[in-house]
Amino acid sequence: EAGVTQFPSHSVIEKGQTVTLRCDPISGHDNLYWYRRVMGKEIKFLLHFVKESKQDESGMPNNRFLAERTGGTYSTLKVQPAELEDSGVYFCASSHRGGVAFFGQGTRLTVV
Amino acid sequence: KQEVTQIPAALSVPEGENLVLNCSFTDSAIYNLQWFRQDPGKGLTSLLLIQSSQREQTSGRLNASLDKSSGRSTLYIAASQPGDSATYLCAVTGTASKLTFGTGTRLQVTL
Repeated sequence: EAGVTQFPSHSVIEKGQTVTLRCDPISGHDNLYWYRRVMGKEIKFLLHFVKESKQDESGMPNNRFLAERTGGTYSTLKVQPAELEDSGVYFCASSHRGGVAFFGQGTRLTVV
Repeated sequence: KQEVTQIPAALSVPEGENLVLNCSFTDSAIYNLQWFRQDPGKGLTSLLLIQSSQREQTSGRLNASLDKSSGRSTLYIAASQPGDSATYLCAVTGTASKLTFGTGTRLQVTL
């Protein structure tokens, strides 16, 4: 069974540009989460989808971040325009209801 | 607001030693607690999941305990090996189902 897949694994962009991160969850997992870890800090929750609906987006830092999960399958996280403080590792996770969350390998985003 | 603290931040032990990693959390109203392992450049691997009604879980050389009332968990690693070197993360799940992570303990097991 394929795990959670994230693309790209690394991205280096200039300040002001747009970047879109993609996450393919484990097939059949209704729950999809985005987290991120900025340098030296703990991993923090961004938002939670149940199927295509946003269940909780309390962790989204500002309106430059937009997450979508069309059709309840894969999800994208767009940052527009990117700022220096957005640099970090963005993780996606998926789970069955109440089950263990399986994490992807993360996307390392560097904004220069 | 839930806060999770892990002590120590870093630990270096010789191969074969038993060791304990500590995790504390401020809000005891948790659904479960998980211990993860993260290798450099890799994702997170779930090691052990303890439900709020449980006291401990074991998997091979790993044993995790949970004292929900005092807001503490420990991860015990027996007979450590160089392959155990990684960052270990503790995370709790609240009623909102999202994970709140600690900053991790970076473990190095030396030959």
